[in-house]
Amino acid sequence: GAGVSQSPSNKVTEKGKDVELRCDPISGHTALYWYRQSLGQGLEFLIYFQGNSAPDKSGLPSDRFSAERTGGSVSTLTIQRTQQEDSAVYLCASSPPGGPVSNQPQHFGDGTRLSIL
Amino acid sequence: AQTVTQSQPEMSVQEAETVTLSCTYDTSESDYYLFWYKQPPSRQMILVIRQEAYKQQNATENRFSVNFQKAAKSFSLKISDSQLGDAAMYFCAYRFRMDSSYKLIFGSGTRLLVRP
Repeated sequence: GAGVSQSPSNKVTEKGKDVELRCDPISGHTALYWYRQSLGQGLEFLIYFQGNSAPDKSGLPSDRFSAERTGGSVSTLTIQRTQQEDSAVYLCASSPPGGPVSNQPQHFGDGTRLSIL
Repeated sequence: AQTVTQSQPEMSVQEAETVTLSCTYDTSESDYYLFWYKQPPSRQMILVIRQEAYKQQNATENRFSVNFQKAAKSFSLKISDSQLGDAAMYFCAYRFRMDSSYKLIFGSGTRLLVRP
């Protein structure tokens, strides 16, 4: 079956430009997560959606970062006025409803590699 | 604060041998879940195995098993009969509930090399 889909796979842009990253979760998955993975590092939590609402935005590093989710499905992560330190792989994950949410494993996409020149 | 520590940046194992990857975590919670994820060069994070903190029995998935020591806050991954396809980054992760959110905290990862 279809997994979590992220686009673009790679994005190279100039410092100061805005970028938009897209995540299409597995159909029926109500929870959606965004993570950032800097080179050689572990994953850093950014934001969590339950349906269309984001009860936890605590991981967003600055007000240049925002995310939205519409129709309980596709999510976009937007980075405004990109900086070189924004260069990383941005991973999206989704998990299904039902049962204790903490027990639901997260299914990850392949990520978007963002490079800021 | 919840933290996850993987003290081995890189491990190497001979094909068909057994290797153990270490993970420790720090928490004051009593109800949580622990996971090991594998990340091959393709970048996709693949769930390897998970453990519920309330279960004393160690989880097992085919060649993968864990040694869960709750009192010591240790959660190591053992890979038996290592295969070339096991080569990847392995991340230990801890999941807990905070307010209205469920957070997954990752360790910094261990790169596993498999020698033919």
